[in-house]
Amino acid sequence: DGGITQSPKYLFRKEGQNVTLSCEQNLNHDAMYWYRQDPGQGLRLIYYSQIVNDFQKGDIAEGYSVSREKKESFPLTVTSAQKNPTAFYLCASRFGNTEAFFGQGTRLTVV
Amino acid sequence: RKEVEQDPGPFNVPEGATVAFNCTYSNSASQSFFWYRQDCRKEPKLLMSVYSSGNEDGRFTAQLNRASQYISLLIRDSKLSDSATYLCVVNPYQGGKLIFGQGTELSVKP
Repeated sequence: DGGITQSPKYLFRKEGQNVTLSCEQNLNHDAMYWYRQDPGQGLRLIYYSQIVNDFQKGDIAEGYSVSREKKESFPLTVTSAQKNPTAFYLCASRFGNTEAFFGQGTRLTVV
Repeated sequence: RKEVEQDPGPFNVPEGATVAFNCTYSNSASQSFFWYRQDCRKEPKLLMSVYSSGNEDGRFTAQLNRASQYISLLIRDSKLSDSATYLCVVNPYQGGKLIFGQGTELSVKP
């Protein structure tokens, strides 16, 4: 089935660790996005990529890094520089100006 | 001023009521507009795209007012299952980033 897959669904991070969240799509979409959502809040853009090997910072990029080596994949690394990483992370993809499709999200908790 | 703003609510309405949400955006050159629905602890899902001429899908009607830079969502004959958070989404320019409003929470009561 075509879609966008995020893994893992739940992730626990110790203080000072880097963790990487996976996002894969087989929709042949050019653009991919990472958002962060805190309880009771809207989605805030972390990074986005419109083509392979290119990406732009969103509104809250500090403490995060991404890569886009393949069209299908857009992994997000939450670095130790991100002081408050506990949140719901959502990956999305889209084609042109059409609607975005979301993965099921990853819940990251700092322990 | 935020790029996209919504009234966070919550809107508490009885079944069968009509409810309307508005969303304002700051970039007059914005290209495309959407309404998404998000259930608790789930990913957002597309409810409907918003076209310049307005569009309707069953009990849901979306409209765009470019002059005043807002989009609206009207829900008629509310159902219990409509309880969710409704997110307004704006694409400020060709391709590129999608900006989400903070969401409007709707609770439909029996």
